[in-house]
Amino acid sequence: GQQLNQSPQSMFIQEGEDVSMNCTSSSIFNTWLWYKQDPGEGPVLLIALYKAGELTSNGRLTAQFGITRKDSFLNISASIPSDVGIYFCAGQRSSGTYKYIFGTGTRLKVLA
Amino acid sequence: DTAVSQTPKYLVTQMGNDKSIKCEQNLGHDTMYWYKQDSKKFLKIMFSYNNKELIINETVPNRFSPKSPDKAHLNLHINSLELGDSAVYFCASSVSREQYFGPGTRLTVT
Repeated sequence: GQQLNQSPQSMFIQEGEDVSMNCTSSSIFNTWLWYKQDPGEGPVLLIALYKAGELTSNGRLTAQFGITRKDSFLNISASIPSDVGIYFCAGQRSSGTYKYIFGTGTRLKVLA
Repeated sequence: DTAVSQTPKYLVTQMGNDKSIKCEQNLGHDTMYWYKQDSKKFLKIMFSYNNKELIINETVPNRFSPKSPDKAHLNLHINSLELGDSAVYFCASSVSREQYFGPGTRLTVT
């Protein structure tokens, strides 16, 4: 099955640093979702994006819908230890398909 | 006030057995999904139902059979379990373009 490319695959950062990750596709999407998954838990929806160029924040998290509609970006500012986890992007090609394609995940580890 | 719930949380069984996983959502969503997450954490869609109608059926062995008795429930039955079926199975539901996941069922086949 198709998966979206996420970069970086994993990263170690110091507490207090800002984090950036992205998700790219060869296809155009009309919806981008960003999730965080903690160990032993289900993915939790962080941010949803619906329009090209859209910039949406949720606390220290900011996500953007790329203007080409083939990519999306997630930034975490001033990281804290509880930001540790796997971050997934998910894209939906059109609202009528119901199908979401997931990224390969970015594993974030924060060093206190 | 759980949104999407799954039972059981853990399931350990032997090869060849038949097992079911249940999912319920109290969000009033029309669409529900089953995903499989492998050991590398890749999430792959298996099935989706919209208002009890099967709308997505990915390339999944026919030993896997979903059933949706009503739009709040989507169950997954697996026949003749194999070692390769070991994974975490997630139920999800969606409204508009937002999708919400359950806590997962970790299936271990020995």
